[in-house]
Amino acid sequence: QVQLVESGGGVVQPGRSLRLSCAASGFTFSNYGMHWVRQAPGKGLEWVAVIWYDGSDKFYADSVKGRFTISRDNSKNTLYLQMNSLRAEDTAVYYCATEFGSPIWGFDSWGQGTLVTVSS
Amino acid sequence: NFMLTQPHSVSESPGKTVTISCTRSSGSIASNYVQWYQQRPGSAPTTVIYEDNQRPSGVPDRFSGSIDRSSNSASLTISGLKTEDEADYYCQSYVSSYHWVFGGGTKLIVL
Repeated sequence: QVQLVESGGGVVQPGRSLRLSCAASGFTFSNYGMHWVRQAPGKGLEWVAVIWYDGSDKFYADSVKGRFTISRDNSKNTLYLQMNSLRAEDTAVYYCATEFGSPIWGFDSWGQGTLVTVSS
Repeated sequence: NFMLTQPHSVSESPGKTVTISCTRSSGSIASNYVQWYQQRPGSAPTTVIYEDNQRPSGVPDRFSGSIDRSSNSASLTISGLKTEDEADYYCQSYVSSYHWVFGGGTKLIVL
């Protein structure tokens, strides 16, 4: 049974950094692309970033490009999101999710999310 | 790039059937598969439809998906509505150049 558990959220001041983690279990993590998706309070879902199953490629939403870095450690079955230069508009619940893969290109399993609040 | 537009909310009575639409702003709806996600209040999203009309294991067959090339839209239909179906529903598709897009979400009210 797929399990994704995010951690690392919290309250952080604007301009500071935070690193989120997503611990995966119940499936062969190294076979799957992984995403981060976020949801601002009371708002809809927004795709943030994706990383290929082997970490060879990474892509970002324009809203976070140059500030956020997605990475993974397949030996630890863990996905990361390094968030730098945080802004108030980055306040959201951050979910990790598995990727179905080509040609579907959608989100299969989801974690429960971790809340990031950017505030002075 | 394109947008996916959903109605803000829909409401229907228990036992009835409801359809939620998702209209693609440009390009063909058939160009990329559409997925649908259910998000109950206070919970994470879960996948209810993938690849336009496929149900993950565990999703009841009351949930079905389709696309309509004439209206350039996808639809999620839920039959035999139950109060537990009350949730936000999001459509999603792949844009291009490895970017993903969601619709704005539809609040389903079962009253």
